[in-house]
Amino acid sequence: DSGVTQTPKHLITATGQRVTLRCSPRSGDLSVYWYQQSLDQGLQFLIQYYNGEERAKGNILERFSAQQFPDLHSELNLSSLELGDSALYFCASSTGGLEFDEQYFGPGTRLTVT
Amino acid sequence: KNEVEQSPQNLTAQEGEFITINCSYSVGISALHWLQQHPGGGIVSLFMLSSGKKKHGRLIATINIQEKHSSLHITASHPRDSAVYICAVRYYGGSQGNLIFGKGTKLSVKP
Repeated sequence: DSGVTQTPKHLITATGQRVTLRCSPRSGDLSVYWYQQSLDQGLQFLIQYYNGEERAKGNILERFSAQQFPDLHSELNLSSLELGDSALYFCASSTGGLEFDEQYFGPGTRLTVT
Repeated sequence: KNEVEQSPQNLTAQEGEFITINCSYSVGISALHWLQQHPGGGIVSLFMLSSGKKKHGRLIATINIQEKHSSLHITASHPRDSAVYICAVRYYGGSQGNLIFGKGTKLSVKP
């Protein structure tokens, strides 16, 4: 158990809908990362937050947004969902968000868009 | 083109065998990670390296900065080692969170 929690574990929804994925980092970790793992693209970095502020942005679509709240939990919002958004979404956390910090992964949320 | 290449893509071994998984990358990096993903999907971080060698139990990870190459070794492999092993790097000049991932090596260890 990494100490990172993600909810829900599974989500099935229809095209065009909007969903919110939630992540709670390990106690004391200030940085949260979001990753997407799809069958064709593999693992891709989406976005990073550090202590409430956006720190880095990767291959995140404009239909997707995220935020980190004062209690350090983070939410990833996916809107106007398409079939291709079906994937595993992982959250990871680290102490300070520095490049040599170890990242601890949550169990993931499996999103299925039908 | 994926900037992180792993080999082999698939690997089948008998229990007890010594296993090597390779990872190569294209330009200078600040850190390299080895991750393990179990069939259920969960990801565990095994090692983070910027130089040299690290060992944890039966797992050994090495990195050669000049050759831009890393290897993950598993000694005395066991069926519970069956998983996908993923190499990820953070390039110099890349944003701090920006890990670039290999496509993974699927390992199956037969009893």
